[in-house]
Amino acid sequence: SQQGEEDPQALSIQEGENATMNCSYKTSINNLQWYRQNSGRGLVHLILIRSNEREKHSGRLRVTLDTSKKSSSLLITASRAADTASYFCATDAAAGGGADGLTFGKGTHLIIQP
Amino acid sequence: DTGVSQNPRHKITKRGQNVTFRCDPISEHNRLYWYRQTLGQGPEFLTYFQNEAQLEKSRLLSDRFSAERPKGSFSTLEIQRTEQGDSAMYLCASKTGGRTGELFFGEGSRLTVL
Repeated sequence: SQQGEEDPQALSIQEGENATMNCSYKTSINNLQWYRQNSGRGLVHLILIRSNEREKHSGRLRVTLDTSKKSSSLLITASRAADTASYFCATDAAAGGGADGLTFGKGTHLIIQP
Repeated sequence: DTGVSQNPRHKITKRGQNVTFRCDPISEHNRLYWYRQTLGQGPEFLTYFQNEAQLEKSRLLSDRFSAERPKGSFSTLEIQRTEQGDSAMYLCASKTGGRTGELFFGEGSRLTVL
C-alpha cells in the first residue's frame, strides 16, 4: 500500500513558471522526503524535511510540511525544461508506524513546455 | 562510479522461468533496500537488510521471491516461476547509518515476463 498521495497526478506548465505539487499522508512520520525520477531511471533524492520543521529551501526548491494536516508541498521556482520528470513524496514512519522503509506516493508527472 | 549498481538493467523472460537481479550498494552503506515499481506508480517496499541480516519483508514479497545479502555487501533478488504480474522495475537503494535519512537508488532492473 502507498501512504502518500500526490496531487496533481500530472502537471504541464511553461518554462519559467513555478510548479507546485502537494502530498498527503496518513500516519505519524519522522520525516518526509521528495524524490525525482526521470523516465526509466532511478530515483534521486531532492530534499528531506523533519517532522519538527515547517519549511525548507534548497536552491529552486521550497518544501513545506504541515503535520496537523498530514500534508506537504514542493514548489519548484523558475522551472526549466530539464525539470521534466516524476516527483514523489516519501514518508519515513515514526517508530511502530509502518514498514521500516520509505513509503512512496504515486507521484506527480511534471512536464515543462519550452 | 561509486553509486548503487544494478544488473541486469533489462531482463525479458518467459512465464515460469526464474530470474535473479543483483545490487551492489555504495560500499560504506550498511542498509540495503529492494523496491518494486510498476508503470505509473510509486516504488513499493519489498524488503531490507542491515548488513547481512534481512530485517523486514513486505507482504508483497510472496514465497516465490527471495533476497539475500550474504556478506553484507552485494544483494540478490530472485524470483522463481515468474508470472506476468511480476513485470515491473525492481529498484535497489542503500543508505548508511540508522533507519531515517536519504536513500541512494540504483537505476533499476526492468523485468518483462512474456
